[in-house]
Amino acid sequence: KQEVTQIPAALSVPEGENLVLNCSFTDSAIYNLQWFRQDPGKGLTSLLLIQSSQREQTSGRLNASLDKSSGRSTLYIAASQPGDSATYLCAVSPIQGGSEKLVFGKGTKLTVNP
Amino acid sequence: DTEVTQTPKHLVMGMTNKKSLKCEQHMGHRAMYWYKQKAKKPPELMFVYSYEKLSINESVPSRFSPECPNSSLLNLHLHALQPEDSALYLCASSQDKGWDLGVNEQFFGPGTRLTVL
Repeated sequence: KQEVTQIPAALSVPEGENLVLNCSFTDSAIYNLQWFRQDPGKGLTSLLLIQSSQREQTSGRLNASLDKSSGRSTLYIAASQPGDSATYLCAVSPIQGGSEKLVFGKGTKLTVNP
Repeated sequence: DTEVTQTPKHLVMGMTNKKSLKCEQHMGHRAMYWYKQKAKKPPELMFVYSYEKLSINESVPSRFSPECPNSSLLNLHLHALQPEDSALYLCASSQDKGWDLGVNEQFFGPGTRLTVL
């Protein structure tokens, strides 16, 4: 059974710092991996999707990497801003069970202090 | 239009009430999803519709009844709920199985905050 773990559970950094969020998964048989952002009480915003054949994806100050063989992904946020404060969720689309299913980690709650 | 909309934003209901949640997307997606999210937990998949047919039911109690009237609309009918059903209900959509599975990205709506008294 696919399991997704995110470390750390919470992270507090000063504004301007570069930071890395970690995600690990137990089964490398995945179609893709998605990173989401969720503000309190709101829906999920898709940040980046990395296909299983890809190594990384970039969008603005965000860079996500994928090492499928070791079951790891990182989300790098450059020059963090208070507006980046949110919970970041990692989810994989496992091949077993069909592409419709997403298995989520529990998230990393990020606080960027001004 | 890359948006998934959900109504209402908030809903308070008694255990004997019948209510419905609505979700809409106009991205031409053929797969739509209902998720339930409790506080400080990740979303849990409830149902998946693919081409307007129910393809996945994650053993959800029958007091939750999904409906997909057309490819753009998804409803969740609620009846005789329990206080423990209080949660954020999220709708999502994506391209269908026939699409490149590697890019089957899910897009989420803002959610409906449900409180059962």
